[in-house]
Amino acid sequence: DVKVTQSSRYLVKRTGEKVFLECVQDMDHENMFWYRQDPGLGLRLIYFSYDVKMKEKGDIPEGYSVSREKKERFSLILESASTNQTSMYLCASSLGQGRYEQYFGPGTRLTVT
Amino acid sequence: DQQVKQNSPSLSVQEGRISILNCDYTNSMFDYFLWYKKYPAEGPTFLISISSIKDKNEDGRFTVFLNKSAKHLSLHIVPSQPGDSAVYFCAASAGNSGNTPLVFGKGTRLSVIA
Repeated sequence: DVKVTQSSRYLVKRTGEKVFLECVQDMDHENMFWYRQDPGLGLRLIYFSYDVKMKEKGDIPEGYSVSREKKERFSLILESASTNQTSMYLCASSLGQGRYEQYFGPGTRLTVT
Repeated sequence: DQQVKQNSPSLSVQEGRISILNCDYTNSMFDYFLWYKKYPAEGPTFLISISSIKDKNEDGRFTVFLNKSAKHLSLHIVPSQPGDSAVYFCAASAGNSGNTPLVFGKGTRLSVIA
């Protein structure tokens, strides 16, 4: 089974702090994704990566950056956390190569106060 | 502009009956469609998918139907069980061998009443 793990299930940070969310997948997947989920808005794509050191902006990249130094690890960085970044953050990975299914981690509930 | 629309935010169904969740899309380049199920405080889990070359795919109690001319797909759950209560997301891909992000709908909350 594919396993996608996220570094924290719950996180509380203060406004202005730099926040790192880590995601690791164990199935040698090519593609990795970061989403946020908010009530009534569904899943919105923040950033994704096709390969190591590659990154592409999603629909809502403002206020975020990402890093993919190793194939299995994809980090989401909030440079200066703000209260409107309070959300559920979901990491996913997919094999690519004709396989479309994305596999999600358990999510990180981030609260910025 | 929403490319994948789930127009029903919620649905309630009696246990044992059929649940039908609907999804409409606007992008004619979409060629692969997926359904995900999400429980509170968990990540979405992949449920079932269908390629645009098919009009039906079945897996146990779950069947997905695709009507390309209407740009519409539906997920049927028969019989519905209380454990099926969750938020269901429809998603679509515009090809490139799975290397493009999925586009998700906003979800439909299904409640199966015992």
